[in-house]
Amino acid sequence: EAGVAQSPRYKIIEKRQSVAFWCNPISGHATLYWYQQILGQGPKLLIQFQNNGVVDDSQLPKDRFSAERLKGVDSTLKIQPAKLEDSAVYLCASSYKSRDEQYFGPGTRLTVT
Amino acid sequence: QQPVQSPQAVILREGEDAVINCSSSKALYSVHWYRQKHGEAPVFLMILLKGGEQKGHEKISASFNEKKQQSSLYLTASQLSYSGTYFCGTVSSNTGKLIFGQGTTLQVKP
Repeated sequence: EAGVAQSPRYKIIEKRQSVAFWCNPISGHATLYWYQQILGQGPKLLIQFQNNGVVDDSQLPKDRFSAERLKGVDSTLKIQPAKLEDSAVYLCASSYKSRDEQYFGPGTRLTVT
Repeated sequence: QQPVQSPQAVILREGEDAVINCSSSKALYSVHWYRQKHGEAPVFLMILLKGGEQKGHEKISASFNEKKQQSSLYLTASQLSYSGTYFCGTVSSNTGKLIFGQGTTLQVKP
């Protein structure tokens, strides 16, 4: 069974530029999550989708971050414009249904200079 | 509210045992445990649900005290491969959202 796929793996951008991350969850998983993980900390949930609907985006900085999940499968997370403090690893995870164990993709390491 | 993990770091010799604790102030629906190696994604270890159901790797054991909102992960006869950062995640009965603790770093030495 294929795992969660993410791209790109690494991205370096300058502040005020924009960036987009892509995620393809495990086939059949209805719930998709985007997390931000800052070095030395646990993952912090940015947004949770159930199929193509948003369940929780309370910690998403909506003035600069946006996310969508087209047709309830793939998802993209965008940052525009990026700030220095956005430097982190962005993890995508999926689960069969909400509250189930989550399976993580390899993450995208973002560096904002 | 973020769960609190203890200890923050542990250093073991191969074959020794360790216990990692996770505590929440909220009524919990479930507790998740994940291990993350440096530069890699978190990997699911175990989920413990209210009511006693558990699901996870056979070689991992854990407990969940629903009344105290506490969980413990037991690592016995540790191996070098056990090294990494262990995160507990708690799902509150109210929100259903998974919130991760700050992590416990485990280093197993030969």
